[in-house]
Amino acid sequence: TAGITQAPTSQILAAGRSMTLRCTQDMRHNAMYWYRQDLGLGLRLIHYSNTAGTTGKGEVPDGYSVSRANTDDFPLTLASAVPSQTSVYFCASSDRGGQGDAEAFFGQGTRLTVV
Amino acid sequence: GQNIDQPTEMTATEGAIVQINCTYQTSGFNGLFWYQQHAGEAPTFLSYNVLDGLEEKGRFSSFLSRSKGYSYLLLKELQMKDSASYLCAVRDSNYQLIWGAGTKLIIKP
Repeated sequence: TAGITQAPTSQILAAGRSMTLRCTQDMRHNAMYWYRQDLGLGLRLIHYSNTAGTTGKGEVPDGYSVSRANTDDFPLTLASAVPSQTSVYFCASSDRGGQGDAEAFFGQGTRLTVV
Repeated sequence: GQNIDQPTEMTATEGAIVQINCTYQTSGFNGLFWYQQHAGEAPTFLSYNVLDGLEEKGRFSSFLSRSKGYSYLLLKELQMKDSASYLCAVRDSNYQLIWGAGTKLIIKP
């Protein structure tokens, strides 16, 4: 069972370059999320989508954009990378719009280093 | 602002019991989650509490007191594989998860 898949698993990116982190799920979950995880901090929400065709801003959206053209895919784009975007990025999904006891399922993460 | 507090690190002995506390202040409450995260891996779901009281699931139990803004995760019969970070998260009034920084649990033989 695939679940939720992210690509690439790691990347070194030159500052000023753009990059898209890919995320695909096969669980038909309607809600999807992008988080970043930094040492000493909790997971911070970048952007989310409660259903295909809609997106919303999380706690730290600046410098990032997302799209949700269909249920399965939720790519995250960095238009012009900066060193402060060095982090581990997790994509997650949940059923029922993330309500009730709907747990979040996480991808394996993308470790991004901006130099 | 919204805040989730957990101890940064705890150490326990194999076979023993450990309790990891979590206190929260959030705009609204729609449930509290505990996740386990091994180093270099993704978080995985452990438990969910929405009503006051204890939820037991094998060696792991989770407790919630909404009036105190408090939860704990209890791990019994500790095994070396339980060495991991434990993340507390609260679903707020907008149904978004607010995450604590996690508690790194070190198990010693």
